[in-house]
Amino acid sequence: DVKVTQSSRYLVKRTGEKVFLECVQDMDHENMFWYRQDPGLGLRLIYFSYDVKMKEKGDIPEGYSVSREKKERFSLILESASTNQTSMYLCACCRNLVDTEAFFGQGTRLTVV
Amino acid sequence: GENVEQHPSTLSVQEGDSAVIKCTYSDSASNYFPWYKQELGKRPQLIIDIRSNVGEKKDQRIAVTLNKTAKHFSLHITETQPEDSAVYFCAASPTGGFKTIFGAGTRLFVKA
Repeated sequence: DVKVTQSSRYLVKRTGEKVFLECVQDMDHENMFWYRQDPGLGLRLIYFSYDVKMKEKGDIPEGYSVSREKKERFSLILESASTNQTSMYLCACCRNLVDTEAFFGQGTRLTVV
Repeated sequence: GENVEQHPSTLSVQEGDSAVIKCTYSDSASNYFPWYKQELGKRPQLIIDIRSNVGEKKDQRIAVTLNKTAKHFSLHITETQPEDSAVYFCAASPTGGFKTIFGAGTRLFVKA
């Protein structure tokens, strides 16, 4: 089974802080994704990466950046956290960019105060 | 842009009844349609998927149907059990594209 691990289940940060969310996968998949999950809005794609050092913007990239220095690790960075970034963040990976199963991490619930 | 609409947002059924969740999509190039189940406090996990060359697929108590002409697909759960209570997400994904689009989710309650 693919294992996708996010470094924190819960985080509380202050407005203006720089926040790092880490994700590690153990199945050698090229493709990794960061989603944001909000009630009534489903899963919205923030950024994805199809290879080391490669990244592409998703639907809602504003206020976020990402880093993929190693194949197994994909980091989401909030440059200056704001209260409207309070949300559940889900990392995922899969073998192909589309048309195959996505394996999700357990999620990080971030609260910005 | 591409969009996936999912209905209803909340569904409450009695144990043993059937539950149906419907999704429509806008991108006619979509050809892969997965369904994910997210139990409370857990990660979304794939429960069933269907590709556009197939009209229906079954796996025990769950089934998915696809109508490519109308651009809609549905999840059917029969003989519901309390452990079916969860949020269900549909999604649509195009070949050659890079983005799977998710629906907003349906919260299913199965009352014992």
